[in-house]
Amino acid sequence: EAGVAQSPRYKIIEKRQSVAFWCNPISGHATLYWYQQILGQGPKLLIQFQNNGVVDDSQLPKDRFSAERLKGVDSTLKIQPAKLEDSAVYLCASSLRLNPSTDTQYFGPGTRLTVL
Amino acid sequence: AQSVTQLDSQVPVFEEAPVELRCNYSSSVSVYLFWYVQYPNQGLQLLLKYLSGSTLVESINGFEAEFNKSQTSFHLRKPSVHISDTAEYFCAVSGYSSASKIIFGSGTRLSIRP
Repeated sequence: EAGVAQSPRYKIIEKRQSVAFWCNPISGHATLYWYQQILGQGPKLLIQFQNNGVVDDSQLPKDRFSAERLKGVDSTLKIQPAKLEDSAVYLCASSLRLNPSTDTQYFGPGTRLTVL
Repeated sequence: AQSVTQLDSQVPVFEEAPVELRCNYSSSVSVYLFWYVQYPNQGLQLLLKYLSGSTLVESINGFEAEFNKSQTSFHLRKPSVHISDTAEYFCAVSGYSSASKIIFGSGTRLSIRP
């Protein structure tokens, strides 16, 4: 079974530029998560999708971050414009059902973003 | 709301020595508890979890963690570590509700010396 795929693996941009990350979850997984992991911290949930609907985006900085999951499969996370403090690893995860407490989340390798 | 504290950012140990990675949580409601592991150049993966029942949970590679409600702790232990256990370990907590998100600690980097 293929795992969660993410691309690109690394990205370096200048502040005020835009950037997009792509995630392909495990086939059949209904729930998809995007996390932000700043160096020295644990992952923080940005947004959670159930199929193609948003379940929780309370911690997404909506003035600059956006995400979509068209057709309930692949997802993209965009930052526009980027700030220095957006430098982090962006993790995508998926799980079979909705409940993040009891369903195992499977994580992708992450995209390391550096904003100069 | 829940929070997690991992007291040690780094833990160096010698191979075949025992190890304990400490985790304390804070919550006003009942919780589920997790340990995730991130091996070098790999994604996060679930190591073990406590949902209910026995307070002692085990992983397939010899780690165990004990849920201690009175001390609000979920420490991870292994009696004898191997070089392959070198990784970063994250403790995490969530509430019972399906609307609860998983809150991660800041991680403990376990380095094994030969």
